[in-house]
Amino acid sequence: DTAVSQTPKYLVTQMGNDKSIKCEQNLGHDTMYWYKQDSKKFLKIMFSYNNKELIINETVPNRFSPKSPDKAHLNLHINSLELGDSAVYFCASSPGSIVGNTIYFGEGSWLTVV
Amino acid sequence: DAKTTQPNSMESNEEEPVHLPCNHSTISGTDYIHWYRQLPSQGPEYVIHGLTSNVNNRMASLAIAEDRKSSTLILHRATLRDAAVYYCILRDVYNNNDMRFGAGTRLTVKP
Repeated sequence: DTAVSQTPKYLVTQMGNDKSIKCEQNLGHDTMYWYKQDSKKFLKIMFSYNNKELIINETVPNRFSPKSPDKAHLNLHINSLELGDSAVYFCASSPGSIVGNTIYFGEGSWLTVV
Repeated sequence: DAKTTQPNSMESNEEEPVHLPCNHSTISGTDYIHWYRQLPSQGPEYVIHGLTSNVNNRMASLAIAEDRKSSTLILHRATLRDAAVYYCILRDVYNNNDMRFGAGTRLTVKP
């Protein structure tokens, strides 16, 4: 069983389209995240949700909107896609405890905007 | 945010030990030192973490300097599968929903 699963794994789409990436975790974790890894391989946190509540919202364009229908899901919607949105997007989750809080990552969703 | 400094890249021979250094001179008393690694075309995975004392697990060992301003991740016998980017990250125990990556160290393992 995959602990953190993301779909789709690969997505090629045209500029201006709206797309979603889904994420589900079966670990019973309270916190979920979205990270973006660009072509230079830097991993940047975008959002963090704890029990469906937004905790971290980095300076991400408002075209990006996370939605957490329940604790096990955190989907990423992207409107009006731009070339610069091409990247690998990683979903992750972690338990809510404070100490030794390990983050588990999905395998990534490769988004290419043409 | 507290920052870490790591060498951009390191090389190792297979089956030899590898010592990956990390400097974190501005570490605060509530920062844990975490190490993650990212294998090619995969998401990052947890390696080890510690606060003050040295730590061992089945993947690696973590040696933490007495003043906590630096640490070293030790892979006891590198394998080809250990080729990855290794990230040293400080996480504040009171801000555990935030984890920020630096550039990491790209480890190449030669057969």
